[in-house]
Amino acid sequence: DIQMTQSPSSLSASVGDRVTITCRASQGISDYLAWFQQKPGKAPKSLIYAASTLQSGVPSKFSGSGSGTDFTLTISSLQPEDFATYYCQQYNSYPHTFGQGTKLEIK
Amino acid sequence: EVQLLDSGGGLVQPGGSLRLSCAASGFTFTNYAMSWVRQAPGKGLEWVSTISGSAGSTYYADSVKGRFTISRDNSKNTLYLQMNSLRAEDTAVYYCAKVRLRGGIDYWGQGTLVTVSS
Repeated sequence: DIQMTQSPSSLSASVGDRVTITCRASQGISDYLAWFQQKPGKAPKSLIYAASTLQSGVPSKFSGSGSGTDFTLTISSLQPEDFATYYCQQYNSYPHTFGQGTKLEIK
Repeated sequence: EVQLLDSGGGLVQPGGSLRLSCAASGFTFTNYAMSWVRQAPGKGLEWVSTISGSAGSTYYADSVKGRFTISRDNSKNTLYLQMNSLRAEDTAVYYCAKVRLRGGIDYWGQGTLVTVSS
């Protein structure tokens, strides 16, 4: 199975900051990588697929990059509604494993 | 507008069974693979199972293989998850999810809570 490791596990930032979350796969997954946002008590929301393609309706402040084993999610100009938990998921091969999540908190 | 409505969760005793449903609308259901993803209380997301659009292919996490069965009724635009031999560690919110043609989840249901407890 492919293991997905996110870092950091938690992150404190201020409104207006730019942050980057990293996701590393235990083996190459090409660009079969998605990012999701989840707020407490809510279903996840899809942000990015194919490592760097924005889901329709997602603001351009979110961006993704990477290929192979190393990926990043960058959020620019943080707003209060961006504070949430973020997950990566590989869909290169089954099982489609998730990272453990990165909780983004307000400083 | 894509809508996925999860239902069927509840309280069940260890060893019991439950069937979850996901009613889909807003897209041509038969064209898309569908998945179930779960989240135990206070924990992260865990992929559970995926079924192809034609139902010809199914995939399972090792943690549920042999106990859970994913299926779909394309005439009713409905996805199912039959859960047997339930364990305490199966307690979670279960989400159905639509899979893009080239892979990856694009839409999620609202989730349904399954609690396995005596």
